[in-house]
Amino acid sequence: DAGVTQSPTHLIKTRGQQVTLRCSPKSGHDTVSWYQQALGQGPQFIFQYYEEEERQRGNFPDRFSGHQFPNYSSELNVNALLLGDSALYLCASSFLPGGDTQYFGPGTRLTVL
Amino acid sequence: AQKVTQAQTEISVVEKEDVTLDCVYETRDTTYYLFWYKQPPSGELVFLIRRNSFDEQNEISGRYSWNFQKSTSSFNFTITASQVVDSAVYFCALSEADTGNQFYFGTGTSLTVIP
Repeated sequence: DAGVTQSPTHLIKTRGQQVTLRCSPKSGHDTVSWYQQALGQGPQFIFQYYEEEERQRGNFPDRFSGHQFPNYSSELNVNALLLGDSALYLCASSFLPGGDTQYFGPGTRLTVL
Repeated sequence: AQKVTQAQTEISVVEKEDVTLDCVYETRDTTYYLFWYKQPPSGELVFLIRRNSFDEQNEISGRYSWNFQKSTSSFNFTITASQVVDSAVYFCALSEADTGNQFYFGTGTSLTVIP
């Protein structure tokens, strides 16, 4: 039973560039949530996708956008990168967007120079 | 205001000691869920437990136990006879039905078990 997978593992970008991170949910899950975790902090909710639509959004600017595909996989896009966007980006999947347990992937470490 | 508070930033214990990690939450919702996750150095968050607001029974799973008290809005986590492999950052999280069940995480407690 494959768990949540994310790619790439690490990424280095420069300010102003754009980045796309990818996530495949755990088998049987249809809901994907994205989190940003700065060093030494807890994960912060970015947004959640269900049925290919953004259902919930945290306090993040429009530079952060996403997409969910018919196979439930998801992408996180960040435009006009800032130094402060450097963080671990975590994807989590669950069955339905309710209070179900979210299972996390290994994350993508983004460094913005 | 912080919805989940983990006041203990770092804890160090000697192997085989018991340790309790505190979690205090804040919510006005009557339907909510509480979680604990473990984050080892590899970075992946590992699910430990989920509790809903209507079930205050304490739970024990091997060396792990959880104490949920609605009266004090606390959901504490105890590791009995700690082991070096328990060294990690532990996060408590809250999910509320009224806010679409997004997860609110605490700032985490870094546990070091010294052999």
